[in-house]
Amino acid sequence: GDSVTQMEGPVTLSEEAFLTINCTYTATGYPSLFWYVQYPGEGLQLLLKATKADDKGSNKGFEATYRKETTSFHLEKGSVQVSDSAVYFCALRAGGTSYGKLTFGQGTILTVHP
Amino acid sequence: DADVTQTPRNRITKTGKRIMLECSQTKGHDRMYWYRQDPGLGLRLIYYSFDVKDINKGEISDGYSVSRQAQAKFSLSLESAIPNQTALYFCATSDEGRNYGYTFGSGTRLTVV
Repeated sequence: GDSVTQMEGPVTLSEEAFLTINCTYTATGYPSLFWYVQYPGEGLQLLLKATKADDKGSNKGFEATYRKETTSFHLEKGSVQVSDSAVYFCALRAGGTSYGKLTFGQGTILTVHP
Repeated sequence: DADVTQTPRNRITKTGKRIMLECSQTKGHDRMYWYRQDPGLGLRLIYYSFDVKDINKGEISDGYSVSRQAQAKFSLSLESAIPNQTALYFCATSDEGRNYGYTFGSGTRLTVV
């Protein structure tokens, strides 16, 4: 079945450091890939997405590139801020019999210190 | 007003009690979902509905039931709550098509004592 694996956390960084959160997936067909962010006490918000191989999603300084050859969708940001502290979820939405359902990774907690 | 509204935001209930979590959406989408979030486990799908007459079990439906009262309303019930159902519950809605993400509610934090 479909699955998403994220790097284990938590991740702790200083402000202005470079961020990478790894995400790999297994899916049938050609999934779309997403990153969601969950700020403390809130629901999940869509951060960025990519719908086909080699697409790059970007938003708020975050980027991720859909790599079909390595089945990966790693999240990166060049300079993190304290306000980026949150839980980040990688997810895929596949076609076929799973059509329409979103499958999530386990989430990565990011804490950014001043 | 939020696109997806969940009530209540927080609830403490006793083992064996019946409880209903409610969700309503103003996005006009046919597809609605209930997820459960536990620390370190991400979000797991409980039930999903592609329209009012189409309701399907997700990966962890045991102990839960749902009702799709209208396109905009999708309720989750725990018939007899147990402590390991203590979790954060999210409702979501989506457009048709794999290229679209979901819109989530703010969640219901349920504690079963």
